Amino acid sequence: GAGVSQSPRYKVAKRGQDVALRCDPISGHVSLFWYQQALGQGPEFLTYFQNEAQLDKSGLPSDRFFAERPEGSVSTLKIQRTQQEDSAVYLCASSGQAINTDTQYFGPGTRLTVL
Amino acid sequence: AQKVTQAQTEISVVEKEDVTLDCVYETRDTTYYLFWYKQPPSGELVFLIRRNSFDEQNEISGRYSWNFQKSTSSFNFTITASQVVDSAVYFCALFRTLTFGKGTMLLVSP
Repeated sequence: GAGVSQSPRYKVAKRGQDVALRCDPISGHVSLFWYQQALGQGPEFLTYFQNEAQLDKSGLPSDRFFAERPEGSVSTLKIQRTQQEDSAVYLCASSGQAINTDTQYFGPGTRLTVL
Repeated sequence: AQKVTQAQTEISVVEKEDVTLDCVYETRDTTYYLFWYKQPPSGELVFLIRRNSFDEQNEISGRYSWNFQKSTSSFNFTITASQVVDSAVYFCALFRTLTFGKGTMLLVSP
């Protein structure tokens, strides 16, 4: 398919483990976004890339959260020393323009459960 | 402060009824974009509409219509003749700040 894909779709981690979540954006899309969606809430912005440059990481909740997009395509969101409050769905979105007001197309998300 | 309020947490209707989902926003920006997304049970957010702050024309797409009123900072979404497949959570969002509302769950029963 030509949409945004994310892997894994589900991840269970023990508290204290590190996890890595992958996002494959739509081919050619310049901008990539990560969101965190808690149960019953709307998505909350975490970070934004334009090509390989991380232009905004103001939404990352702590220094345990780290994102990268080294070649301007695939992105990885890493969470170190996971805590129970990190349990959520992590959504990735991409857009074709180098602005953050363009239409974003979302992937199916990764549901992270921290025990 | 940037904020999006969707006051209706959950709405239940019977098929073929019309339903309006409310969205009120707050922003100090003069240029901004408003969006509606649908999140079905599968979890993937589906884009419905994008509207910039300078375009106050209402828009209709099939059974969907949107009413943007800058004077009241509202961007409401109406589904005409609802169908069971419309059951989902609907999110209103304000971009430049990438702020989403908490969503309205719409349940359409046969």
